[in-house]
Amino acid sequence: QVQLVESGGGVVQPGRSLRLSCAASGFTFSSYAMHWVRQAPGKGLEWVAVIPYDGSNKYYADSVKGRFTISRDTSKNTLYLQMNSLRAEDTAVYYCARGLDYGDAFHLWGQGTMVTVSS
Amino acid sequence: SYVLTQSPSVSVAPGKTARITCGENNIANKSVHWYQQKPGQAPLLVVYDDSDRPSGIPERFSGSNSGNTATLTISRVEPGDEADYHCQVWDSTDHQAVFGGGTKLTVL
Repeated sequence: QVQLVESGGGVVQPGRSLRLSCAASGFTFSSYAMHWVRQAPGKGLEWVAVIPYDGSNKYYADSVKGRFTISRDTSKNTLYLQMNSLRAEDTAVYYCARGLDYGDAFHLWGQGTMVTVSS
Repeated sequence: SYVLTQSPSVSVAPGKTARITCGENNIANKSVHWYQQKPGQAPLLVVYDDSDRPSGIPERFSGSNSGNTATLTISRVEPGDEADYHCQVWDSTDHQAVFGGGTKLTVL
């Protein structure tokens, strides 16, 4: 079954760190670019970061640059998002999504994991 | 950087045609993708590369892109089409994906 399953969300205090995971199954994980997209409560979608199939050139939204790091482990078919120096405005549902390359559409999405940054 | 403009809401009666637009200067030079999102669910791709449909998406969903406006057209609207619709492009200059603010489609 082709799917993406996120985990690792929760409640965290401002300034702390959290790592999200996205487990891929049912397809050749190493052939696809992977993205993180988030959605704050009641708001629209906001792209966060992308990592290409080979893990080379990673790109980030300006709002998370320098604080978040996207990575992947092909041996585990898993995508990660390391989030440091978290802020209240990072509160959102975080989705991982699959695209063939940087500019391709996100054909496959996970169900999302909620991150709440609050003291 | 790109800023994609969508109307906050569109209302349409069942059986009629809904048109949801996504505006940006010279958007015709970009490939536009459209996602449907129902409450509490992850987004679902309904149109990609301006006008292509993923397998399983009804032919009632179609897309076009010209000049400064991309359009998602939903023909013979059904109550189950009620959802938020988001447009998206890839900004190859800044290396970032950009989403529109989303349009809430209400089926009257």
